[in-house]
Amino acid sequence: AAGVIQSPRHLIKEKRETATLKCYPIPRHDTVYWYQQGPGQDPQFLISFYEKMQSDKGSIPDRFSAQQFSDYHSELNMSSLELGDSALYFCASSSRIRQGATGTIYFGEGSWLTVV
Amino acid sequence: AQSVAQPEDQVNVAEGNPLTVKCTYSVSGNPYLFWYVQYPNRGLQFLLKYITGDNLVKGSYGFEAEFNKSQTSFHLKKPSALVSDSALYFCAVRDMGNFNKFYFGSGTKLNVKP
Repeated sequence: AAGVIQSPRHLIKEKRETATLKCYPIPRHDTVYWYQQGPGQDPQFLISFYEKMQSDKGSIPDRFSAQQFSDYHSELNMSSLELGDSALYFCASSSRIRQGATGTIYFGEGSWLTVV
Repeated sequence: AQSVAQPEDQVNVAEGNPLTVKCTYSVSGNPYLFWYVQYPNRGLQFLLKYITGDNLVKGSYGFEAEFNKSQTSFHLKKPSALVSDSALYFCAVRDMGNFNKFYFGSGTKLNVKP
């Protein structure tokens, strides 16, 4: 079965640079989520989109932005990178319609961002 | 507010022995509870969920979880642990008031020794 696809898997950037992460949700999933997981931390919710509209916002820094495109893929843009942004960034997707109100979230393998 | 707690940072068990990873929750309505497993440098994999119905939920890789409403717990269990079960386990609750949010516990590292 198709899973959530994230790219790139690994990314090294310098401080103050910009990075873009991409996410391709499971086909026919209408909701995309972004999470950040620091070393030894649990995943922290950043932002979500439902049907290409931002639906919820968590602890996403102002330096970060995200959007979901017409083909449902999503991109997380991170600017003015700081050392503390080094983390594993997960994209996840779910479907409200196919799975009713339960909406299990399925995660991608994550994108490792290292800021040096 | 919804939240989950995993009281143990680490659980050690010998291969072949039963394992339990604990999770307690706090929700304002009916809980929608999930367990995920994370292997090193990998994404979170869905194991099982409780929405309604039987309190004992069976999931992937032989795992099961028992929903206990009176104790507000959703402990993950397996009758016989494998070394390959060693990973990080996260309990999560879905906020039905804010449909898009999942709240994760802090994670429990399971070590299964041969």
